Amino acid sequence: EPEVTQTPSHQVTQMGQEVILRCVPISNHLYFYWYRQILGQKVEFLVSFYNNEISEKSEIFDDQFSVERPDGSNFTLKIRSTKLEDSAMYFCASSVTGENEQFFGPGTRLTVL
Amino acid sequence: QKEVEQNSGPLSVPEGAIASLNCTYSDRGSQSFFWYRQYSGKSPELIMFIYSNGDKEDGRFTAQLNKASQYVSLLIRDSQPSDSATYLCAVNYPGGNKLTFGTGTQLKVEL
Repeated sequence: EPEVTQTPSHQVTQMGQEVILRCVPISNHLYFYWYRQILGQKVEFLVSFYNNEISEKSEIFDDQFSVERPDGSNFTLKIRSTKLEDSAMYFCASSVTGENEQFFGPGTRLTVL
Repeated sequence: QKEVEQNSGPLSVPEGAIASLNCTYSDRGSQSFFWYRQYSGKSPELIMFIYSNGDKEDGRFTAQLNKASQYVSLLIRDSQPSDSATYLCAVNYPGGNKLTFGTGTQLKVEL
């Protein structure tokens, strides 16, 4: 069964450093998403991406964040200058359409020291 | 502010019983509703989705949607210890293509 994959599973970084989180969505899906979950809190939407552009973003997704689909399979989230409060699980998800069910990857645990 | 509300629990049920998980949402125009299961430290796993009023059954799981009351529920029949997890309700609000999640209900199935 096709699934969303994410790398790395765990990323530790120093405050102020740039990180890139990588995702490979399900191959026939057209919509891609990033969510985050701070420990003990709810899953929060960051950004959705369709047809090579951002279709929606949340207030969390400020100028420090960017997304890219550098090739036909990868979807990346870049955090330019990490803060302590960026420490969270970051989940990538994909769906066939914007209204359909979204399938989540296993997540990347980001720890900012 | 579009909200999804869930009782955080924990909800404890004995093995073999029916577990009933509830969720309310704030936007009457919402069209798509999802239940995800999340084990500790893992990612959300899709259990059920429902788009129309009424019941939808899939194995031991039944999703129920009442748009007039802005209420969606998940029933788990013959609960097993492996069902012990946090169940997340998620809503796709109209005009958007993002999921808004509730805080989740922790379910404990006891032997």
